[in-house]
Amino acid sequence: NAGVTQTPKFQVLKTGQSMTLQCAQDMNHEYMSWYRQDPGMGLRLIHYSVGAGITDQGEVPNGYNVSRSTTEDFPLRLLSAAPSQTSVYFCASSYRNTEAFFGQGTRLTVV
Amino acid sequence: DQQVKQNSPSLSVQEGRISILNCDYTNSMFDYFLWYKKYPAEGPTFLISISSIKDKNEDGRFTVFLNKSAKHLSLHIVPSQPGDSAVYFCAASAGGAQKLVFGQGTRLTINP
Repeated sequence: NAGVTQTPKFQVLKTGQSMTLQCAQDMNHEYMSWYRQDPGMGLRLIHYSVGAGITDQGEVPNGYNVSRSTTEDFPLRLLSAAPSQTSVYFCASSYRNTEAFFGQGTRLTVV
Repeated sequence: DQQVKQNSPSLSVQEGRISILNCDYTNSMFDYFLWYKKYPAEGPTFLISISSIKDKNEDGRFTVFLNKSAKHLSLHIVPSQPGDSAVYFCAASAGGAQKLVFGQGTRLTINP
């Protein structure tokens, strides 16, 4: 059972570079979400999707783009990385009224 | 404006005793509450949840209590075991688990 798979696990970027964090789930969940976790804080919602072709903003969406072309995949794009985006990123998937399952996380450092 | 708060950053409990983790929320629209456990360098793992129509849910050693009038929930772990040492996050949602709001977390340490 793969569950929610995130790649890469670690990434270092220079300020201004772009990159895509990948997230895939094999549970046929309709809902997928991206969170970031900063030291001493809980997870904060960046973007979420309730189905293929449908996305919406969370609490901290600035600097990030998402798209959902398939049920399985929900990539997160950083268009121009900034040091403030240094964080650990978690992808999650769920059915509507059940618990969310999380990936192992991507630790991103922007220098 | 923190909608979900865990006011204790850390908690230390002796093995075999009860661990009680607390969480407060402000948004009356929250209808689903969850507890997650997190080890370093891993993603959060679901522990237990409760719907707003209930006031208690049990799963083995874990029990979650919900007091809607006080906007307060708690997680009881009994008996506590060394493997329970981790960071515990309280989370809440209004209308679906795709939009969870998390507390800051409580680091639980179980001492032998």
